Amino acid sequence: GQQLNQSPQSMFIQEGEDVSMNCTSSSIFNTWLWYKQEPGEGPVLLIALYKAGELTSNGRLTAQFGITRKDSFLNISASIPSDVGIYFCAGRASSNTGKLIFGQGTTLQVKP
Amino acid sequence: DSGVTQTPKHLITATGQRVTLRCSPRSGDLSVYWYQQSLDQGLQFLIQYYNGEERAKGNILERFSAQQFPDLHSELNLSSLELGDSALYFCASTKTGEGEPQHFGDGTRLSIL
Repeated sequence: GQQLNQSPQSMFIQEGEDVSMNCTSSSIFNTWLWYKQEPGEGPVLLIALYKAGELTSNGRLTAQFGITRKDSFLNISASIPSDVGIYFCAGRASSNTGKLIFGQGTTLQVKP
Repeated sequence: DSGVTQTPKHLITATGQRVTLRCSPRSGDLSVYWYQQSLDQGLQFLIQYYNGEERAKGNILERFSAQQFPDLHSELNLSSLELGDSALYFCASTKTGEGEPQHFGDGTRLSIL
């Protein structure tokens, strides 16, 4: 099925470090979403972006909707152990349905 | 807690069998979405319903079907199960079925033996 290219696939960092991950697509999206998933749970929404160029923060998380509408990135500053999980980007191409296309996920591990 | 409820949490069955997964959306949400999450395919959109009617369809197999009932809960039916159908199945919901972010339940883990 259709997917976004999300990178990196995994990251193992030291507590306190900043993290950056991104997603790219060959087609244009009108919405970008970032989710976090922990074991045994469903994806939890972190940030939603609706306009090209939009930069939005949620605590230590910052995400941007790329100008070309074909990419997005997520930054996590000063990582802490509870940031561990799988981060997914998701894009919506059509405005009249809710169908989301997901990236493959970035697995983040934080060493205390 | 997202407010989306999925049952059962785990399901173990054999090849060739049929199962039904259930989803109750958040209070006030009219649209439900089903996704399949497997190790090699990531999260794949299956189907969307809005107020009882099918709104969008993804790569859903013909052996799979879904419906949304008048009380807005939804069921995903999987039949003639194969080993490759083993996966996590997630339901999400939104109010209008268009631009809002989707809120996910905790999924049903289906294991085919």
